[in-house]
Amino acid sequence: SQTIHQWPATLVQPVGSPLSLECTVEGTSNPNLYWYRQAAGRGLQLLFYSVGIGQISSEVPQNLSASRPQDRQFILSSKKLLLSDSGFYLCAWSSGISSYNEQFFGPGTRLTVL
Amino acid sequence: AQKITQTQPGMFVQEKEAVTLDCTYDTSDPSYGLFWYKQPSSGEMIFLIYQGSYDQQNATEGRYSLNFQKARKSANLVISASQLGDSAMYFCAMRGLSGGSYIPTFGRGTSLIVHP
Repeated sequence: SQTIHQWPATLVQPVGSPLSLECTVEGTSNPNLYWYRQAAGRGLQLLFYSVGIGQISSEVPQNLSASRPQDRQFILSSKKLLLSDSGFYLCAWSSGISSYNEQFFGPGTRLTVL
Repeated sequence: AQKITQTQPGMFVQEKEAVTLDCTYDTSDPSYGLFWYKQPSSGEMIFLIYQGSYDQQNATEGRYSLNFQKARKSANLVISASQLGDSAMYFCAMRGLSGGSYIPTFGRGTSLIVHP
């Protein structure tokens, strides 16, 4: 069966510090991968998605970036965190990018920027 | 542009009763998919049910059913025989065509509390 991992689970970082969140998927190959941010009491905002190694699509221009160095690894990064980067970050995968492909989510990372 | 609207920020239901969570959507694409996800307090999003835009029948998955009214662009989730464990945030989502890919769009969610 497929499993998706995210770490760390929680993170407290000062403003201006770098960020690296990691997501890995097990039990499937060539997954489509997604990074979402969820602000308190809000829905999910799609940040990036990837259909393959090295292929990244950005949905929202900001100080975050994403990379996919391996087939089942997706990394969210920032060189300098802002207060507004605080939130709950969810990684997800799907087997395709068609209208019928459901997504499967990881446990999330709760980021607090102070 | 795609849009998902969930107008109920919070809902309350008695245990063992049914509850309907509202969702309306907007898209100009004739081919799209509608999804509902559950987010317990732990934070993980759990896929519940899917409805395709060309599906003739309403989707059902156990106690979950989707009341799909295409002309009204609504995709309400019905939970029958509510259980205490159903207390969670519920998100409606749509995958419609955007820039050549079916990009997911989520609503703001509805908080459901099930009372004993």
